[in-house]
Amino acid sequence: DVKVTQSSRYLVKRTGEKVFLECVQDMDHENMFWYRQDPGLGLRLIYFSYDVKMKEKGDIPEGYSVSREKKERFSLILESASTNQTSMYLCASSSNSGTDLSQSSYEQYFGPGTRLTVT
Amino acid sequence: QKEVEQDPGPLSVPEGAIVSLNCTYSNSAFQYFMWYRQYSRKGPELLMYTYSSGNKEDGRFTAQVDKSSKYISLFIRDSQPSDSATYLCAMSASYGNNRLAFGKGNQVVVIP
Repeated sequence: DVKVTQSSRYLVKRTGEKVFLECVQDMDHENMFWYRQDPGLGLRLIYFSYDVKMKEKGDIPEGYSVSREKKERFSLILESASTNQTSMYLCASSSNSGTDLSQSSYEQYFGPGTRLTVT
Repeated sequence: QKEVEQDPGPLSVPEGAIVSLNCTYSNSAFQYFMWYRQYSRKGPELLMYTYSSGNKEDGRFTAQVDKSSKYISLFIRDSQPSDSATYLCAMSASYGNNRLAFGKGNQVVVIP
């Protein structure tokens, strides 16, 4: 079974703090993603990575950075947390091993999420 | 206009009813269509995957894609309380690009 784990289920931080969210996957997946999920806004992509040390901006990268030093680990960094970054953060991973039609080429496996509150 | 539109309004149905969910999209390049199910306090999990137009059935679940209308649907027959979850549609344009465009999700509550 694919497993994506996130370092914390709940996190409370103060405005201005530097925050690290860690994600680890155990299926040797090439691709990893960070999303935030907010009521009425759905899932929004923050950053993604196709390979170690590679990163691409998603739809809402402002205020965030990422790090991928090892294939299995993808970290999301909030350089200076603000109250508008209070949200549910979801990590996902996916494989490049399938064919162009196979489900495995598009399926993303999600972690359980980290609910971050910034006060 | 957002790429994928999904009316996020909650849906409450009695047990045994048919649940009908849908999404519309604007990008005609989308070819790969998915429905994810997300239980409370969990991450989304893939429920159904369909390539291009047509229907796909898996047990009580049916996914339909109408590319000419840019419209996809998910039907749940004989709904059960265990189907209570948020359902998100997702789609992708091309192989090798694992990036997905998601709808906002529909919360479904099946009342026993």
